[in-house]
Amino acid sequence: AQSVAQPEDQVNVAEGNPLTVKCTYSVSGNPYLFWYVQYPNRGLQFLLKYITGDNLVKGSYGFEAEFNKSQTSFHLKKPSALVSDSALYFCAVRDNWAAGNKLTFGGGTRVLVKP
Amino acid sequence: DAGITQSPRHKVTETGTPVTLRCHQTENHRYMYWYRQDPGHGLRLIHYSYGVKDTDKGEVSDGYSVSRSKTEDFLLTLESATSSQTSVYFCAINGQGERGFTGELFFGEGSRLTVL
Repeated sequence: AQSVAQPEDQVNVAEGNPLTVKCTYSVSGNPYLFWYVQYPNRGLQFLLKYITGDNLVKGSYGFEAEFNKSQTSFHLKKPSALVSDSALYFCAVRDNWAAGNKLTFGGGTRVLVKP
Repeated sequence: DAGITQSPRHKVTETGTPVTLRCHQTENHRYMYWYRQDPGHGLRLIHYSYGVKDTDKGEVSDGYSVSRSKTEDFLLTLESATSSQTSVYFCAINGQGERGFTGELFFGEGSRLTVL
């Protein structure tokens, strides 16, 4: 079975400060990990993924995430947050043994960046 | 844009009525998915399809059925809608590159369903 947890319902950060959104996962095999962002009344937009290779993954809009196998974590980071980064963020995982490329999503973390 | 269109985008219906949501893709991708989004639960997989007439259940499939008679269309049907099925429904397709799946999913804009 595969599962993912986002321990924070909401993260508040001042504009210009670093932003971190936490994600931990559980899989039987090797994980494929993803981050998505959702703006109000929109679908989910793909930000970045870890399949294999470097543990630090860079994605869209200046976001990056670090894969940590020993801590089973894949935290999303941005060095300097913008007000426009305020949105709902989802972490997702897929076990590399899972058929059908079915992703399991976390409950989401709302990010509020204050001016 | 991933070339995914969902219809209707908004629907209000009454308990006990049938409802069909449509997902149309222009990418000719083999895999398509239906998820529902509820506060605190993130997105949960309802059903998915791996080809024409080939479908399988997800984690929250009770009360839902799907059909895929052609590659571009994936239909989600609530045979008799209940208030617990009030949700936002998202269709998704796999990302594909020259070497096959790229891993990520691409989502439509969602269909908001309210069951009174």
